[in-house]
Amino acid sequence: DAKTTQPNSMESNEEEPVHLPCNHSTISGTDYIHWYRQLPSQGPEYVIHGLTSNVNNRMASLAIAEDRKSSTLILHRATLRDAAVYYCILTRGSTLGRLYFGRGTQLTVWP
Amino acid sequence: GAGVSQSPRYKVAKRGQDVALRCDPISGHVSLFWYQQALGQGPEFLTYFQNEAQLDKSGLPSDRFFAERPEGSVSTLKIQRTQQEDSAVYLCASSSPPWDRVYGYTFGSGTRLTVV
Repeated sequence: DAKTTQPNSMESNEEEPVHLPCNHSTISGTDYIHWYRQLPSQGPEYVIHGLTSNVNNRMASLAIAEDRKSSTLILHRATLRDAAVYYCILTRGSTLGRLYFGRGTQLTVWP
Repeated sequence: GAGVSQSPRYKVAKRGQDVALRCDPISGHVSLFWYQQALGQGPEFLTYFQNEAQLDKSGLPSDRFFAERPEGSVSTLKIQRTQQEDSAVYLCASSSPPWDRVYGYTFGSGTRLTVV
């Protein structure tokens, strides 16, 4: 499966927007881009996913570059509860199958 | 149930002891996954069930690890003769295709295993 690259850590202030980047230069045409997050002492939680077009849901927005070699998860107004490890994951084809998490980005939100 | 339930929440085992970790998936979910998460790392895939069939066990690190899901609902991950390197959080996830393409997987809170 194609690999993703994320910064180890990022910081934000509460109520400010957060842009979490992910590089996936070897993405193939059938790879979907998924984001999960993991709060302390919890299992991972699904955030959002997309293929080519930008996506919005109640939790976040996903901006996908035109060449699909990178994407950005956008939290429009960070709260203290958004402090977590964020994982960018590629999945292939029509079934999700196993997920390859990597080490993700640790997001710290300051009050 | 409302979510994926895992028990026990914490387990301390003496080296060489056998342990059994339980996962209760969301009712009706066909797919069930086990992952292992070492401290400071992302979760790593162990095995996958579709109903009672174990379709992929390529992530199990050794033959001391065994998983089953005999009736296609509850699953048990068993580790025989535990070793210190088995210390990790063991996560269970379930889903119901094709809804996993919309809602993703639902993970439990995990079982933290410490081998002493």
